[in-house]
Amino acid sequence: DAGVTQSPTHLIKTRGQQVTLRCSPKSGHDTVSWYQQALGQGPQFIFQYYEEEERQRGNFPDRFSGHQFPNYSSELNVNALLLGDSALYLCASSSGGQTGEAFFGQGTRLTVV
Amino acid sequence: TQLLEQSPQFLSIQEGENLTVYCNSSSVFSSLQWYRQEPGEGPVLLVTVVTGGEVKKLKRLTFQFGDARKDSSLHITAAQPGDTGLYLCAGGVPTDSWGKLQFGAGTQVVVTP
Repeated sequence: DAGVTQSPTHLIKTRGQQVTLRCSPKSGHDTVSWYQQALGQGPQFIFQYYEEEERQRGNFPDRFSGHQFPNYSSELNVNALLLGDSALYLCASSSGGQTGEAFFGQGTRLTVV
Repeated sequence: TQLLEQSPQFLSIQEGENLTVYCNSSSVFSSLQWYRQEPGEGPVLLVTVVTGGEVKKLKRLTFQFGDARKDSSLHITAAQPGDTGLYLCAGGVPTDSWGKLQFGAGTQVVVTP
């Protein structure tokens, strides 16, 4: 049973560029959440997708956008990259239920230079 | 802003010693999860607690959820080098049953042989 998978694992981009990160949720899960984790910090909630719609959003600018596909996989897009966007981006999947229990992928390490 | 405060921030102990990590908040959570994260990897779920006063054991790890569901602790007995990692607590917001998690900043645990 495949867990949550993310691609790519590492990425280097230049300031001002755009980036797309991808996530496939755990089998049987229909909800995907994205988190940003800066060095030495806990993950910060970006947004969550359910039934192909953004269901809720954290305190992140509109430069951060996403999408969920019919097979429940998801993309995170970041436009006009800033140096401060350098972080580990984590995807978490859950079953859209009530416990809030989430399973994470290995993350994508984004470095903006 | 971290709603969940973890202490201590860093803990270094010898193999065989015991340790306790704390997770505190002024907010009530519907559930609380503990994760362990290795460098460059995503957090791995250890346990979910949902009932005030609940105690769960996972081999040498004991997790407790406070009676008021505002705090939690993780106790490791006879720590081993394999217990080294960043321990994160994450709370489910009561007004939000869709899986959004609020994370603490984490406690870095180092167990030396």
